Amino acid sequence: SQTIHQWPATLVQPVGSPLSLECTVEGTSNPNLYWYRQAAGRGLQLLFYSVGIGQISSEVPQNLSASRPQDRQFILSSKKLLLSDSGFYLCAWGTGKPYEQYFGPGTRLTVT
Amino acid sequence: SQQGEEDPQALSIQEGENATMNCSYKTSINNLQWYRQNSGRGLVHLILIRSNEREKHSGRLRVTLDTSKKSSSLLITASRAADTASYFCATDAPRNSGGSNYKLTFGKGTLLTVNP
Repeated sequence: SQTIHQWPATLVQPVGSPLSLECTVEGTSNPNLYWYRQAAGRGLQLLFYSVGIGQISSEVPQNLSASRPQDRQFILSSKKLLLSDSGFYLCAWGTGKPYEQYFGPGTRLTVT
Repeated sequence: SQQGEEDPQALSIQEGENATMNCSYKTSINNLQWYRQNSGRGLVHLILIRSNEREKHSGRLRVTLDTSKKSSSLLITASRAADTASYFCATDAPRNSGGSNYKLTFGKGTLLTVNP
């Protein structure tokens, strides 16, 4: 069966510090991978998605970047965090057809 | 732009009652899905309904889709305290409407509280 891992679960970082969040998927090949951000009490905002190694599509211009160095690894990064980067970050995978997506447990990021 | 909008934003009911949540969307869709999120956790896929389907059941869940009104409803029957969570609808649009096979657009969710 497929599983998706995210770490860390919780992160507190000062403004201006770098960020690296990692997501890995097991039990499937060539998945589509997604990074979402969820503000408190709000819906999900799609940040990046990837349909293959090295292929990254950015949905919203912001202070973040994503990379996919391996088939089942997706990394979300920032060189300098802003206060507005605080939120709940969710990684998900899907196969594109059917269209369901499967989510990791999330990372709670607080920028202080 | 936000595709799905759930209504109501919050719903509080007693255990054993039915809960109905609604979702409206703006453009044509391929499929509509419902997800559940327990507080502080990731989302869990509940059910998918295709644009050519009108109703679908899964256990205590019943989903309807009215493409003429661009709306869907999720009914949870005989609710339990463990159903307390946020519920989101998500849509994917046909390629000729600017969509892709890859992206979903989520609404802001309905927070359901089931009181024991």
